[in-house]
Amino acid sequence: DGGITQSPKYLFRKEGQNVTLSCEQNLNHDAMYWYRQDPGQGLRLIYYSQIVNDFQKGDIAEGYSVSREKKESFPLTVTSAQKNPTAFYLCASSPGQGLFFGSGTQLSVL
Amino acid sequence: AQKITQTQPGMFVQEKEAVTLDCTYDTSDQSYGLFWYKQPSSGEMIFLIYQGSYDEQNATEGRYSLNFQKARKSANLVISASQLGDSAMYFCAMREGRGTSYDKVIFGPGTSLSVIP
Repeated sequence: DGGITQSPKYLFRKEGQNVTLSCEQNLNHDAMYWYRQDPGQGLRLIYYSQIVNDFQKGDIAEGYSVSREKKESFPLTVTSAQKNPTAFYLCASSPGQGLFFGSGTQLSVL
Repeated sequence: AQKITQTQPGMFVQEKEAVTLDCTYDTSDQSYGLFWYKQPSSGEMIFLIYQGSYDEQNATEGRYSLNFQKARKSANLVISASQLGDSAMYFCAMREGRGTSYDKVIFGPGTSLSVIP
């Protein structure tokens, strides 16, 4: 089935550790996005990518990094510089208008 | 800079009644798109409706309609005949650009809707 797959569903990070969230899509969409959602809040844009090997910072990129080596994949790394990483992370892709979302990853700090 | 405002943190509506969720936006671009998404407690994001800035008619999708007032930069969501399953968070979102895949998309803070039996 076509769609967006995020893994893992739950992730725990130790202090000073980098962790990587996976996002894969088989919809052949050019654009991909990463959002962060805190409890009871809206979605805030971290990074987005329009084409392979190119990406732009969103509104809250500090402490995060991404890569786009393949059209299908847009992994997000939460670095140790991100001091408050506990949140729900949503990945999305787009063919031009609407966004198609994955099921999300809940990241917590141990 | 882009900005989305949803002034109603929480709303209540009686089952079978209609409800309007407010959304105002700020952009300097002439070409943009507006969306509404529903997020139930499961966390999934469900696309509801889309309105392009050049669309002359208000968008409708089943029980959902978008009241688009361009001069007021307003894109309110109207849900008719509310159902218990409509209880969820609702987010207004905006894309600036030509409607290609090359645009930034931002979201508002959301409105929590509760449908009362």
